[in-house]
Amino acid sequence: GQQLNQSPQSMFIQEGEDVSMNCTSSSIFNTWLWYKQDPGEGPVLLIALYKAGELTSNGRLTAQFGITRKDSFLNISASIPSDVGIYFCAGHTQMEYGNKLVFGAGTILRVKS
Amino acid sequence: EAGVAQSPRYKIIEKRQSVAFWCNPISGHATLYWYQQILGQGPKLLIQFQNNGVVDDSQLPKDRFSAERLKGVDSTLKIQPAKLEDSAVYLCASSFFRGGYEQYFGPGTRLTVT
Repeated sequence: GQQLNQSPQSMFIQEGEDVSMNCTSSSIFNTWLWYKQDPGEGPVLLIALYKAGELTSNGRLTAQFGITRKDSFLNISASIPSDVGIYFCAGHTQMEYGNKLVFGAGTILRVKS
Repeated sequence: EAGVAQSPRYKIIEKRQSVAFWCNPISGHATLYWYQQILGQGPKLLIQFQNNGVVDDSQLPKDRFSAERLKGVDSTLKIQPAKLEDSAVYLCASSFFRGGYEQYFGPGTRLTVT
């Protein structure tokens, strides 16, 4: 089946640092989405990407839809403590019976002590 | 605008017992999804509804899981009987229309099966 590989699995951040994470797949997706999940909460949509090559920003977040449609990356600039959490990429495919989101396993962002 | 509501937030049951989860999607969202999220993994789709009809239940373990959305608004997911491996967070999400790429999630129900 379709699988998304996220890297890194986890990382430590220091306040003010820029952060990069990416998501790759052997399958082509029509849309890429990035979600953030805080402990005890559901995932919250951060950015949606609809076209290959598209670069989209949302405040300090920037995400790109890869040209091959098989990858995406997310950058966080000037990180702050509340950026800590789990970041999921999700690829969307249109099936004949509806649409389907496939999620990666997540990148855990922790604060460097 | 109110978000996706779910209850209960937490549930602890013994194996072989039954449990039910409730979800109320964002007002006006026709499509509703139930996901299972096992610790350390991303959400995995169990079932998708369009209004009150099932669009995709290919990943639902139908021998023990069932779901309904009778009036095309709120939905119930049931597990009967529960197994240890059903311990997970059950997330409900909704989107505006069937082809809607942007899904909005509720806070989830954390189920522990002992």
